[in-house]
Parts: sequence; structure tokens; C-alpha cells
Amino acid sequence: DGGITQSPKYLFRKEGQNVTLSCEQNLNHDAMYWYRQDPGQGLRLIYYSQIVNDFQKGDIAEGYSVSREKKESFPLTVTSAQKNPTAFYLCASSINLDTGELFFGEGSRLTVL
Amino acid sequence: SQQGEEDPQALSIQEGENATMNCSYKTSINNLQWYRQNSGRGLVHLILIRSNEREKHSGRLRVTLDTSKKSSSLLITASRAADTASYFCATDAEVAGAQKLVFGQGTRLTINP
Repeated sequence: DGGITQSPKYLFRKEGQNVTLSCEQNLNHDAMYWYRQDPGQGLRLIYYSQIVNDFQKGDIAEGYSVSREKKESFPLTVTSAQKNPTAFYLCASSINLDTGELFFGEGSRLTVL
Repeated sequence: SQQGEEDPQALSIQEGENATMNCSYKTSINNLQWYRQNSGRGLVHLILIRSNEREKHSGRLRVTLDTSKKSSSLLITASRAADTASYFCATDAEVAGAQKLVFGQGTRLTINP
């Protein structure tokens, strides 16, 4: 079955550590996105990518980094520069960057201890 | 800045009743989408309505769009306990010079058996 797989589901991090969240899709979609969701809040766009080896900052990119070396993969690194990283992170993909339907993964919950 | 805002923030009704959620937005749009999120899970696309459409149906869902008032509503008829979730509207807005989907803060719907 086609879809988006995020891992890990839960992740704990000590302050000062970088962590990388995985996102893989087998939908053959060109565009991929990372969103952050805080409790009771909507989604905020961190980074997005239209094509391999290209990505753009969203609204809240500071303290995060991404790569897009393969069409299927769009990992997100939460760096120590992110001051408040505890959140629920959602990866999504779409056929292209036109504002059509997004397909989401099940999310990764990051907690900083 | 928030492009889409849902109202009410929370809604609790009895099973079998209809649930109506509203979304208001600020700038002109190409389309508006509604998503559903079960607690701790990813978002699932429900329906997309284009700016030149006024109403759209999908099963027990009915979406209306009033571009003159910059608002949309999602009606769920004959609600079921399984409809308990958060519902988000998403509209396209300019993010860092490109058109992207921007999500509201959501309506938390509880269906009481």
C-alpha cells in the first residue's frame, strides 16, 4: 500500500542534542513538507521541497534542517539551536507544489528532557 | 498571521445530531480544504472545494464556500462516535514568496454516545 512512513513515533532528547526524524513516501510524489504541531494548535510549516536536492524554508525554519537526496525521503533534523523543540512533527507529501491534497504520515512526537 | 480560523474551537454534541464547523480566512484563495485528525495521529484529507464552487458533498459531509464573506462551513450529518476528532481547514496563502497551504487551529469535535 502506498503511503508515508514516519519514524520514530516517539523520541526523547536531552537538551543540546540533535535528533533526526525520518520521513519516507512511496507515492511517487514530487513535493514533501514538514509541519510542527503544538498542543491544541494548528500546523506550522517548517520546510518544504519540490524536487530532489532542493528545499525551501517555511514559516518556522530556525533551528531545523532538512535534506532531499532522494525523491522518497525527506528527513528533518531538529538541532540544538531550536529553543523549544518539544512538539508533534508531521510529514506530508503532495503530487506537486500546487495547493492540492496533502497526504500525511502518522507523526513523530519529540520530547526534550 | 493566521490565514484560516475555525469556529468554534470545541464542539460537543450527541450522537445522531448534526455538527457544523466554520472557517474564516483573510485573503483570496484558489481552494479550501478540510482535514480530520484523530488524537495523536496524522491528518486525513476530507474534501477540497475550489473557489468557483459553492457547495460540495461527500457522504455525510457537506462543505459550503462563500468567497464574498471569505468563509466556509463543514457539516457532518447524523454524527457517530467515530467522528470524534479535530477538524482543520486549510487555505492557500503566500509563504516565503510561494503559495502554500496554511492550516487553522482546528475545531475539536466530541460526539457523545
